[in-house]
Amino acid sequence: SQQGEEDPQALSIQEGENATMNCSYKTSINNLQWYRQNSGRGLVHLILIRSNEREKHSGRLRVTLDTSKKSSSLLITASRAADTASYFCAGGTSYGKLTFGQGTILTVHP
Amino acid sequence: DAGVIQSPRHEVTEMGQEVTLRCKPISGHDYLFWYRQTMMRGLELLIYFNNNVPIDDSGMPEDRFSAKMPNASFSTLKIQPSEPRDSAVYFCASSNPGLGQENTIYFGEGSWLTVV
Repeated sequence: SQQGEEDPQALSIQEGENATMNCSYKTSINNLQWYRQNSGRGLVHLILIRSNEREKHSGRLRVTLDTSKKSSSLLITASRAADTASYFCAGGTSYGKLTFGQGTILTVHP
Repeated sequence: DAGVIQSPRHEVTEMGQEVTLRCKPISGHDYLFWYRQTMMRGLELLIYFNNNVPIDDSGMPEDRFSAKMPNASFSTLKIQPSEPRDSAVYFCASSNPGLGQENTIYFGEGSWLTVV
């Protein structure tokens, strides 16, 4: 079963705009991770935020985590056409299991 | 590092045939995961191993599916007999969370299975 739901399911923006994707999860987690998947490829890890953290940055990525609401958001600033991909959140447990959401399809138009 | 290696990359088989998917995890990783991805159901965890031992196989859809990890560098996912609804991309992934248990997973490129 899926960990939760991503919102929106699809997002279409222009190059240079910011893209925000949201994720809700159901069970208790040790950490929350975001992955990216280019068409026809495997998933690639982007960023991890621990359950005791509220915000984390990595380059043009900003992730927030609200454990009281069981939700997370991924912000990509100054988007590029190369950011076009599917983005998945995944809840991680202390015993190593990762459960993925349904994903958001991001399209960045040049 | 070579990354997670999966084979075959693509397979087309007839209904009723046995399918074996193979995976070589990243050296030194002690967790191995098998995921299945479809448009309808998204990314599903089928089974995962820790130190070659199956930890959670609750995602395995039915008895037609079996997975083994005979050693730290090799795992198989077998479907026998295969059915058209098994058509999907099957991903193998591995990780080495260490003491912090922050399990960043490294995915292979997937095995694209079509059962006709």
